Amino acid sequence: DAGVIQSPRHEVTEMGQEVTLRCKPISGHNSLFWYRQTMMRGLELLIYFNNNVPIDDSGMPEDRFSAKMPNASFSTLKIQPSEPRDSAVYFCASSLSLTGELFFGEGSRLTVL
Amino acid sequence: TQLLEQSPQFLSIQEGENLTVYCNSSSVFSSLQWYRQEPGEGPVLLVTVVTGGEVKKLKRLTFQFGDARKDSSLHITAAQPGDTGLYLCAGPYSSASKIIFGSGTRLSIRP
Repeated sequence: DAGVIQSPRHEVTEMGQEVTLRCKPISGHNSLFWYRQTMMRGLELLIYFNNNVPIDDSGMPEDRFSAKMPNASFSTLKIQPSEPRDSAVYFCASSLSLTGELFFGEGSRLTVL
Repeated sequence: TQLLEQSPQFLSIQEGENLTVYCNSSSVFSSLQWYRQEPGEGPVLLVTVVTGGEVKKLKRLTFQFGDARKDSSLHITAAQPGDTGLYLCAGPYSSASKIIFGSGTRLSIRP
């Protein structure tokens, strides 16, 4: 069975460039979450969707960050313009419910130079 | 400020030893989850505890939920190198509408 699929696995870009991270959740899961992980701040919830609708984006650090979920099988997290402090591993997770078991992808490691 | 504080942050012990890691909060949680994360991968759920005072066992791992549902512990008996990883507790916050994570305990087991 396919798990949560994220792309790209690694991204190196220069400050000011646009970055788009992609996620395909597990089929049948209603909830989708974007987390960011760094050594300093741990695993932070950025935004989450239920039935493709954004529920809470209070964790999105700045207006430079945006996320969409146009359908049940695809979500994107966009950073424009990117800054060095955005360097982190970004995880997408899906779940059958908002507070159920989270199934994580392998993450997208972003490095902004 | 972390809503879920985990301790210790780092732990390195010899194979065969026992250990306990803690997850504490000043808030009441309806349930707590424990995840393990290995390098280069996403966290994977180990267990969910729901009832205050509940104890769950997963082979050599024993999970306990505090009576007041504000804390939880993970005890590993006879640790093995395969137990190495980042252990994260997590729980639903803000009217049970989202899962937040603790700061994590990074465990290293020396052969």
